[in-house]
Amino acid sequence: NAGVTQTPKFQVLKTGQSMTLQCAQDMNHEYMSWYRQDPGMGLRLIHYSVGAGITDQGEVPNGYNVSRSTTEDFPLRLLSAAPSQTSVYFCASRKAGDQPQHFGDGTRLSIL
Amino acid sequence: KNEVEQSPQNLTAQEGEFITINCSYSVGISALHWLQQHPGGGIVSLFMLSSGKKKHGRLIATINIQEKHSSLHITASHPRDSAVYICAVTIGKLVFGQGTRLTINP
Repeated sequence: NAGVTQTPKFQVLKTGQSMTLQCAQDMNHEYMSWYRQDPGMGLRLIHYSVGAGITDQGEVPNGYNVSRSTTEDFPLRLLSAAPSQTSVYFCASRKAGDQPQHFGDGTRLSIL
Repeated sequence: KNEVEQSPQNLTAQEGEFITINCSYSVGISALHWLQQHPGGGIVSLFMLSSGKKKHGRLIATINIQEKHSSLHITASHPRDSAVYICAVTIGKLVFGQGTRLTINP
């Protein structure tokens, strides 16, 4: 099993550009989440999904969209990148119930 | 006030020392997680616990539900243990502490 795979690992964008961060898992996990990690702030939840076709907002959803058309994939879209979205983004998945989270390796995103 | 507080924020120790990192939370939870993040690296789940104590190698995690407190202990610390250790609690969603940066010097 590859676990949780995130692409790309690094990306530099200009303000106003759009892009999609990809996340895929091969563990048949129901739950998938996107977090951003900023210095001194810990991990914050952007969006999450409890199954295919179901998504919901987390703590900091503004400026981001998600979709969950399959169990395996959970892409995160930046609609119009802003410097405040410069961060490290982590995708995670887990089975339903109180189960350990499995994290991807992260995407380091810089918005100029 | 954050729902999850970790202490200390930074910890430097010598190889071989016994390490304790603390986590306090303010709400009822269904589970508590300890995670490890190496510099520039991904995040790995170390423990998930809802009561008592768990041990894996040199790592021990304890939780006291009544006191809303958990500790992560590392015995015979080694430079490769240098990482950020993150406490997170499950209250429907996962809520994270800000992490403890641990540096073990040889």
